[in-house]
Amino acid sequence: QKEVEQDPGPLSVPEGAIVSLNCTYSNSAFQYFMWYRQYSRKGPELLMYTYSSGNKEDGRFTAQVDKSSKYISLFIRDSQPSDSATYLCAMRAGGTSYGKLTFGQGTILTVHP
Amino acid sequence: KAGVTQTPRYLIKTRGQQVTLSCSPISGHRSVSWYQQTPGQGLQFLFEYFSETQRNKGNFPGRFSGRQFSNSRSEMNVSTLELGDSALYLCASRYGQGNTEAFFGQGTRLTVV
Repeated sequence: QKEVEQDPGPLSVPEGAIVSLNCTYSNSAFQYFMWYRQYSRKGPELLMYTYSSGNKEDGRFTAQVDKSSKYISLFIRDSQPSDSATYLCAMRAGGTSYGKLTFGQGTILTVHP
Repeated sequence: KAGVTQTPRYLIKTRGQQVTLSCSPISGHRSVSWYQQTPGQGLQFLFEYFSETQRNKGNFPGRFSGRQFSNSRSEMNVSTLELGDSALYLCASRYGQGNTEAFFGQGTRLTVV
């Protein structure tokens, strides 16, 4: 079983929709949670970075962490065609493991006009 | 501020050969991590270097090795290439060894024929 599970989709939504992306994890040592966006033939781009349980908002993006359930989410409001990409959740433990990110499989999102 | 630079962007090698990939981190960043991305396995951690020392290592065979120079630039080497080594190799840089965000380069697309 993978440490981080993420539904690969694909997910197709109309422009303006609210998108919900989710990951679950099994490793209790994970303390830091990230969401990356990756366009085709590009490297991952950091979208959100969170530590504690709760919500963090940045523009149209909201990241949610529930450590008790080992569940994280990313919400995209007013989705745009330019949001079409693969979304990767990533997480890491603390201490000497700061440099090691464990990724989900990625969810392919298409926002159509 | 320049981002993470990886060279070359594309590479085609023959089975049995070896290859060296290069990564220049963001100016001032001292930690460099390497990842392999394939459609089947997703993004997997290879290793991390900080101050010219390997700090973390993933579950890859010894054919995969790396090093970091005093200017924080890093190289990754794969010897005796196998067809399964075909992948996008990504480098991520961080400012320090602690709790800091990781920023990725565009990657090197390696094809082994």
